[in-house]
Amino acid sequence: SQTIHQWPATLVQPVGSPLSLECTVEGTSNPNLYWYRQAAGRGLQLLFYSVGIGQISSEVPQNLSASRPQDRQFILSSKKLLLSDSGFYLCAWNEGLSYEQYFGPGTRLTVT
Amino acid sequence: GENVEQHPSTLSVQEGDSAVIKCTYSDSASNYFPWYKQELGKGPQLIIDIRSNVGEKKDQRIAVTLNKTAKHFSLHITETQPEDSAVYFCAATPRNYQLIWGAGTKLIIKP
Repeated sequence: SQTIHQWPATLVQPVGSPLSLECTVEGTSNPNLYWYRQAAGRGLQLLFYSVGIGQISSEVPQNLSASRPQDRQFILSSKKLLLSDSGFYLCAWNEGLSYEQYFGPGTRLTVT
Repeated sequence: GENVEQHPSTLSVQEGDSAVIKCTYSDSASNYFPWYKQELGKGPQLIIDIRSNVGEKKDQRIAVTLNKTAKHFSLHITETQPEDSAVYFCAATPRNYQLIWGAGTKLIIKP
């Protein structure tokens, strides 16, 4: 069966510091991968999605970036965090021709 | 582009009663409509979905109905239980297998 991991689970970082969040998927090959952000009490905002290694599409211009160095690894980064980057970051995956998306446990980021 | 509106934002029902959450979408090309349940501090979990060639789908106490003409779909939960308390999200898929999300409904089950 497929599983999706995210780490860290929680993170507190000062403004201006760098960020690296990691997501990995097990039990599948060539998945579509997604990064979402969820502000407190709000809905899901799609940040990036990837259909293959090195292929990244950005939905929202911001100071975040994403990379996919391996087939089942998706990384969300920032060089300098802003207060507005605080939120719950969710990674999701689905198979190439499938609609159903499956989410990881999330990373709670607090920028102070 | 596609826009998904979800109502109500908060719903409080007595344990054992039914709960209904409604979503409307704008893009007639959308053909897949999932519902997700998100418990506090966790990632959303897919609970039921429906495709545009089906009008209704049931899974035990939950059901989803789709009205393509009116462009709306609804989640029905019967015989609500305390563990149904969560935030529920609807979504629609107009293109490229990407999901356009509603804003979410916080469901509160009163004992």
